[in-house]
Amino acid sequence: DTEVTQTPKHLVMGMTNKKSLKCEQHMGHRAMYWYKQKAKKPPELMFVYSYEKLSINESVPSRFSPECPNSSLLNLHLHALQPEDSALYLCASSQDRTSGWVDTQYFGPGTRLTVL
Amino acid sequence: ELKVEQNPLFLSMQEGKNYTIYCNYSTTSDRLYWYRQDPGKSLESLFVLLSNGAVKQEGRLMASLDTKARLSTLHITAAVHDLSATYFCAVVGEADKIIFGKGTRLHILP
Repeated sequence: DTEVTQTPKHLVMGMTNKKSLKCEQHMGHRAMYWYKQKAKKPPELMFVYSYEKLSINESVPSRFSPECPNSSLLNLHLHALQPEDSALYLCASSQDRTSGWVDTQYFGPGTRLTVL
Repeated sequence: ELKVEQNPLFLSMQEGKNYTIYCNYSTTSDRLYWYRQDPGKSLESLFVLLSNGAVKQEGRLMASLDTKARLSTLHITAAVHDLSATYFCAVVGEADKIIFGKGTRLHILP
């Protein structure tokens, strides 16, 4: 099984709402990632968890809050978002991120988020 | 600060032809990735290149890495329409940050 699942597929939320994006993998991978991608732009790395610890936080605004409850799950909690946060949010996982490791990333299908 | 430049940004080519996409980066790195993205879809990992001189091939795609020149190439052999997509390279820089190039939109004409 090389699948990364993400829910929901689409999400429309107002600026005062609180919502969560979910990501799951059952490949035994120890690294999980959140990316944000605006239309016709490259992905931007937001957060990386390695062995369930936050290892990279790319100075993302605090209205985005990641959580890794266990090695298979990664959540992204959203609160008080702005319209410019509308984008495709991609989750990925890889076996390991240790230097020298061939860390092929497997991506989920993404959540298309619209903030009104 | 790590910068990653891809060129060309847009490429229209005929089936059966060969072409190369270039990825230059500005600081040393121990990993370089190539990805494919179809319109409206997620990313698919193509290659991970770790060392100088690394060459990997999958079907009609071949990627190589020259760490001294800070250059990776993605070569397409005898292109077919199914390879139409956007191709990104990405490089791991300081503090393990992953920086993407702007992407190359490849359109293969039948």
